[in-house]
Amino acid sequence: DAMVIQNPRYQVTQFGKPVTLSCSQTLNHNVMYWYQQKSSQAPKLLFHYYDKDFNNEADTPDNFQSRRPNTSFCFLDIRSPGLGDAAMYLCATSTFPGGAYEQYFGPGTRLTVT
Amino acid sequence: TQLLEQSPQFLSIQEGENLTVYCNSSSVFSSLQWYRQEPGEGPVLLVTVVTGGEVKKLKRLTFQFGDARKDSSLHITAAQPGDTGLYLCAGARFSGGYNKLIFGAGTRLAVHP
Repeated sequence: DAMVIQNPRYQVTQFGKPVTLSCSQTLNHNVMYWYQQKSSQAPKLLFHYYDKDFNNEADTPDNFQSRRPNTSFCFLDIRSPGLGDAAMYLCATSTFPGGAYEQYFGPGTRLTVT
Repeated sequence: TQLLEQSPQFLSIQEGENLTVYCNSSSVFSSLQWYRQEPGEGPVLLVTVVTGGEVKKLKRLTFQFGDARKDSSLHITAAQPGDTGLYLCAGARFSGGYNKLIFGAGTRLAVHP
């Protein structure tokens, strides 16, 4: 089945220690998104790739970076995690143009910062 | 600025009851999606509505898109404990050169046996 896969599902890192979260997709979608979701809140868009074009949200901290080496894979790098970065990180994909703009989410990576 | 108002925020009901969740905005959306999210998992797409006035049914769930494509509702008939979860509406808008989803704050539903 076509899907969005995130690894690892749970990640523990230390304050200030760089961490990378990964996402892969078999949907062959050209757009990939990274969201941050804190407890009982809606997902907050950090940035997205439209093909190879990177689009950063204005309020995304510089501490967050992303790489997309090919269509299938996308990485979220947190350079110096703080306690406030503990959250669920969600990867999503969509196709644009075409379709009704729905996004398909992965299962998420729960990040804990100690 | 919260562009998509979702209500109620919390809903706790008994099995067999009916309920309606609302999403309202002053903005027009290209489409609107409804997702359900369970604890520790990502949101799962339930439905997409595109045309003003459109009604879609998914078993006991009925989704409606407002005529002006600014609002939507989700109605659940005879709720079951398996319906428990966080329901998110998300409107799609073309903004800044790309398509973007605007999320509501979510409705946390608990259905008790």
